[in-house]
Formats: sequence, structure tokens, C-alpha cells
Amino acid sequence: GAVVSQHPSWVICKSGTSVKIECRSLDFQATTMFWYRQFPKQSLMLMATSNEGSKATYEQGVEKDKFLINHASLTLSTLTVTSAHPEDSSFYICSARAGSRDQPQHFGDGTRLSIL
Amino acid sequence: GESVGLHLPTLSVQEGDNSIINCAYSNSASDYFIWYKQESGKGPQFIIDIRSNMDKRQGQRVTVLLNKTVKHLSLQIAATQPGDSAVYFCAGVTSGTYKYIFGTGTRLKVLA
Repeated sequence: GAVVSQHPSWVICKSGTSVKIECRSLDFQATTMFWYRQFPKQSLMLMATSNEGSKATYEQGVEKDKFLINHASLTLSTLTVTSAHPEDSSFYICSARAGSRDQPQHFGDGTRLSIL
Repeated sequence: GESVGLHLPTLSVQEGDNSIINCAYSNSASDYFIWYKQESGKGPQFIIDIRSNMDKRQGQRVTVLLNKTVKHLSLQIAATQPGDSAVYFCAGVTSGTYKYIFGTGTRLKVLA
């Protein structure tokens, strides 16, 4: 149980384009989903927290107009990297949590984004 | 600020031996801790968690120990197997924010 699916797993695109990443909780309803960014050989850094039906809360230093997050249902959250540039290249990972805040987050397998 | 750190970036262990991965945290308000395993190119996989009202918790082949006095927790893996090779992260959570603060990770290498 507690499976989180992320799509696509890998994307390469040209600088200036926008890229959408989907995060789905397959066997549970996720009241809260999280988006992380991970650079090579580094830890996960929280970008934003999204609750179903409300605006995402962004961490300090994360541009909300650059990284658009939508959490329209209890099983789907999307991250759109707008006007992507090479410095946006990274490994993006989502996680989902069911129910109360003291429950563990379950992670997707990440999306490797490469901007040329 | 908050931080969760790991003592060693790489740990090499002989197959069949026990592994101990350590983690220190700085925020005394952290009251929930989780260990994750991350294989190359994949997302973190939940291993075990522990709440601050506990000192020890056991799972299948894994044990987490929490020492609140020195703000330290450890993950013990019994009879380490090649499939245990991965990067292990600890995460601390503060009840006020419920945000995960991840440590830098320890790469576990299992030697045949």
C-alpha cells in the first residue's frame, strides 16, 4: 500500500519551455502533497507543500511563479516548471501523506529534468 | 536553524554483518523521526519511524534507536544484504510545522 506514482520519470526539453510533472497517490487519498528538489549527491530540499483544494505554500527562496503547483484532487498534484532554464535541471520528487500530519510521507520515484 | 546531519557520508559493510547508520539533529523540538532508503534514480522508500516518546523501535531486520539527551538516532540493519546498498536518509519532523528536515545521507555499500 501507499504507492505514489510520478510521471514522467525523465524529461529533456529546450530552454524556455514549460514542463509539467504529475504526482499521483494510487491507493490512498492524499490530503497533502509535497514537492522536493534534489541535486546530485545531496539531500532533499522541500520546495512547497500543497493541500487539496487550496494554494500551495512555498518555502523561502522558491519562486511560486516559476514552479506552479496544483492539487486539484485528493490523488493528483502537478508541478509545472515554467520557462525552464538549464539551472532548473534537477531531480524533482513528490511525496504524499494520507490523513493526519503525524503520518509518514510516501515518495514517488522522482522526475529527472534536463534543460538544454 | 534546524539541521539534521549524518556522521559519515559512506559506510562499507561486509555482507552478513550488521550496519549502523547514525544521525544527529539540532532541533530539540523535533518529535518524530523517519528513516528512508533511496536507491539510485529512485525516490526515498520508507523504512521505519519513531516518535520522541520512544527510545527504540524494531522492524524487519531494522532497529531505530533514539537518544533525545544527545539528539542522536541510529538505524541498525541486521545481516546486511547486497540489496541494502543505497543511500539512507534520516528526517526529523517538528510537530509545529510537520515539515521534514532531511539529513545529508549516508551511502551504504555492501561488500560481497
